[in-house]
Amino acid sequence: DTGVSQNPRHKITKRGQNVTFRCDPISEHNRLYWYRQTLGQGPEFLTYFQNEAQLEKSRLLSDRFSAERPKGSFSTLEIQRTEQGDSAMYLCASSLGGRYEPNQPQHFGDGTRLSIL
Amino acid sequence: QQQVKQSPQSLIVQKGGISIINCAYENTAFDYFPWYQQFPGKGPALLIAIRPDVSEKKEGRFTISFNKSAKQFSLHIMDSQPGDSATYFCAASRGRTGGFKTIFGAGTRLFVKA
Repeated sequence: DTGVSQNPRHKITKRGQNVTFRCDPISEHNRLYWYRQTLGQGPEFLTYFQNEAQLEKSRLLSDRFSAERPKGSFSTLEIQRTEQGDSAMYLCASSLGGRYEPNQPQHFGDGTRLSIL
Repeated sequence: QQQVKQSPQSLIVQKGGISIINCAYENTAFDYFPWYQQFPGKGPALLIAIRPDVSEKKEGRFTISFNKSAKQFSLHIMDSQPGDSATYFCAASRGRTGGFKTIFGAGTRLFVKA
């Protein structure tokens, strides 16, 4: 399967703990996006990488959240000091496209479901 | 200005019927309008997308109609099938100047009765 891969699929943790999620995009895709989706809602944009550069961050991404894409391939999203409100599905997507090219179709993974106890 | 408003919230259609979902946006800087289908426990899957220089795009049973002046676009699913039962999201995205940020509607839960 050459689609977007996310791990783990599920994460249950206690409030106050740190968690890290991983996303492996489609190999030739140089754009990578993170979204958060709560039950009954559409995905909400969190951040966007063009290769290894993080070029856009939503105001939803508080200082407890950090995302990296160190070599322009896989990406990690870390949440520090988790809170009840962080419970959601965290989705990763990737697409083709150079920095100055227009929008391209985004391909989503199946997400990591985070539950905070 | 960043919102995308989607309706209806839920839709029940008979097998073989036409499903119609509508979306409206405010920000004229949006330049890409995709539709996604999502099944429970899965990520959204791209169905069809349109750019604002085109008024209609058809792929198989799925058609997007786009009205730039009204800032509205809609998805039509022809010959709806029980397998089409899913949640559908419209979305709007800006290009490089907007960081490719994609704004999603709240979703429409479609149920196709056999």
